Amino acid sequence: DQQVKQNSPSLSVQEGRISILNCDYTNSMFDYFLWYKKYPAEGPTFLISISSIKDKNEDGRFTVFLNKSAKHLSLHIVPSQPGDSAVYFCAASYPYSGAGSYQLTFGKGTKLSVIP
Amino acid sequence: DTEVTQTPKHLVMGMTNKKSLKCEQHMGHRAMYWYKQKAKKPPELMFVYSYEKLSINESVPSRFSPECPNSSLLNLHLHALQPEDSALYLCASSHFPSRNEQFFGPGTRLTVL
Repeated sequence: DQQVKQNSPSLSVQEGRISILNCDYTNSMFDYFLWYKKYPAEGPTFLISISSIKDKNEDGRFTVFLNKSAKHLSLHIVPSQPGDSAVYFCAASYPYSGAGSYQLTFGKGTKLSVIP
Repeated sequence: DTEVTQTPKHLVMGMTNKKSLKCEQHMGHRAMYWYKQKAKKPPELMFVYSYEKLSINESVPSRFSPECPNSSLLNLHLHALQPEDSALYLCASSHFPSRNEQFFGPGTRLTVL
């Protein structure tokens, strides 16, 4: 059962406009959420994160919104640039359980294409 | 130094070969991870080391053998792999236990013939 879902496999946006990437989760035990960006044949790059005690976190052109009641988060990129074209993964983690680390559960990713 | 490095970048091996993947970080992170990623799929967790001890093994076949020689280094020893093991192998580290964010290396593209 997929606990983190990114229902849009792809998204195309014009340069300069807003990109909105969505992510839904099913497990209410998740308390921390992260977005990663991945170029082909490279490792994922950490972008931005948000704790479940917040509803918004902003870093430059990137803003993540969390709606806990809807179990939904979104990543806004404003303005979108051609270099933002990549696959974006949403990830979630549980509170530390003593297992020795925080495990991440990833969504399947959304491929963003920013058209010049 | 804010990087996770991995060597080699590409590796082609036969099913009878023995090879090793290497990962290094100098960020003082005390948790290190191995992931496997197939095309168009999210990364799948294989192993987790925290404080140089194996804390999680996600039911990975014994032909994959991890090793953590010290807090900066993580190895993945490969032996008798199958063609379906061809994938991008990613190493990550995190500032456990204070932070959740994992930082990934560029990966090793492994092809098993």
